[in-house]
Amino acid sequence: EVHLVESGGGVVRPGGSLRLSCVASGFTFEDYGMNWVRQVPGKGLEWVSGINWNGGGTGYAYSVKGRFTISRDNAKNSLYLQMNSLRAEDTALYYCARIQSLEWELSGADYWGQGTLVTVSS
Amino acid sequence: QSVLTQPPSVSGVPGQRVTISCTGSSSNIGATYDVHWYQQLPGRAPKLLIYGNSNRPSGVPDRFSGSRSGTSASLAITGIQAEDEADYYCQSYDNSLSGSIVFGGGTKLTVL
Repeated sequence: EVHLVESGGGVVRPGGSLRLSCVASGFTFEDYGMNWVRQVPGKGLEWVSGINWNGGGTGYAYSVKGRFTISRDNAKNSLYLQMNSLRAEDTALYYCARIQSLEWELSGADYWGQGTLVTVSS
Repeated sequence: QSVLTQPPSVSGVPGQRVTISCTGSSSNIGATYDVHWYQQLPGRAPKLLIYGNSNRPSGVPDRFSGSRSGTSASLAITGIQAEDEADYYCQSYDNSLSGSIVFGGGTKLTVL
């Protein structure tokens, strides 16, 4: 059974940093692209970043480009999101999601974790 | 403001057919990028409902169907049931700027 478990969320002050992790199990991790998607409680979904199967291709939403870095370690079945220069508007529940192909861009996300909450507040 | 436009809400009585539209532009749906649909029940993570415009993952009832035409897509639910009450999101790829995944703003389905 496919499982995605996010961790690393918490409360951080504006300008601070956090590193989110997503541990995958139940499938061959290196066969899939992965995305991070966030959601402000009570609001809609917002794509944050994506990475292809071997980490050789990545993409970022305009709102996080230059501040966030996505990476993966296929040996550890893990996906990461390094978040720097955090702002109040980054406050959200962050989901990792498996993409139905090797690449991150064009296919649907067929499995999602339960999310980890990031709160940016002074 | 979302790149893909959905109605904020739709409603229907049990057994009725409802449709949810998703309107894009020439840089996303109109560029023939696939559209995917998700269902999000209250307090739950999103669930893939339709992928590649009209394909259902295993386990999704055939009451759910999707289509794409021009710069728009739609999700149809025939014979709605109480358990279908949820938020629904469309998603595609947009090739403007450096390329990004885009979501619709979401549609709340209320079963009356």
